[in-house]
Amino acid sequence: DGGITQSPKYLFRKEGQNVTLSCEQNLNHDAMYWYRQDPGQGLRLIYYSQIVNDFQKGDIAEGYSVSREKKESFPLTVTSAQKNPTAFYLCASTPTSGLAGELFFGEGSRLTVL
Amino acid sequence: SQKIEQNSEALNIQEGKTATLTCNYTNYSPAYLQWYRQDPGRGPVFLLLIRENEKEKRKERLKVTFDTTLKQSLFHITASQPADSATYLCALDMSGGSYIPTFGRGTSLIVHP
Repeated sequence: DGGITQSPKYLFRKEGQNVTLSCEQNLNHDAMYWYRQDPGQGLRLIYYSQIVNDFQKGDIAEGYSVSREKKESFPLTVTSAQKNPTAFYLCASTPTSGLAGELFFGEGSRLTVL
Repeated sequence: SQKIEQNSEALNIQEGKTATLTCNYTNYSPAYLQWYRQDPGRGPVFLLLIRENEKEKRKERLKVTFDTTLKQSLFHITASQPADSATYLCALDMSGGSYIPTFGRGTSLIVHP
């Protein structure tokens, strides 16, 4: 089945550790996004990529890094520089970059810093 | 600054009634607006998109209106069912055409049997 797969679903991290969240899609979508969601908050954009080997910072990119080496994959690294990383992370994709269209979301990864 | 507002208080209604959710925005004129449904611990699921030149759009029991003068969209669920209970998010592209959706906080809908 086509879709977006995020892993792991739950992740625990000690302070000072980097952690990488995986996002893979087999929908042949050009654009991919990472959002962060905190309780009672909307989705806030971390990074987005509209083409392979190119990505742009969103509203809250500090303390995060990404790569887009393949069309299907857009991993997010939460670095130790992110001061409050505990959150629900959502990856999404859309068919054609730069045009209106629905976002397809993964099931999310919940990161907890101990 | 650009802003999207959705009612932060949960909307409680009885089964069979029509639920109406509101999305207001300021300081921008989006070309389109989207509505998503999100269940607890899950990713949002796309429901409807309405463009600025469309006043109304329907899909089964769902209806969306878009008033660019009032800068407001209304999302209606008719004949609501307990299974409709979820958080509903509106999203607008405020990037000037680069398709970078900005989401509201969402409104929780609770349908009581």
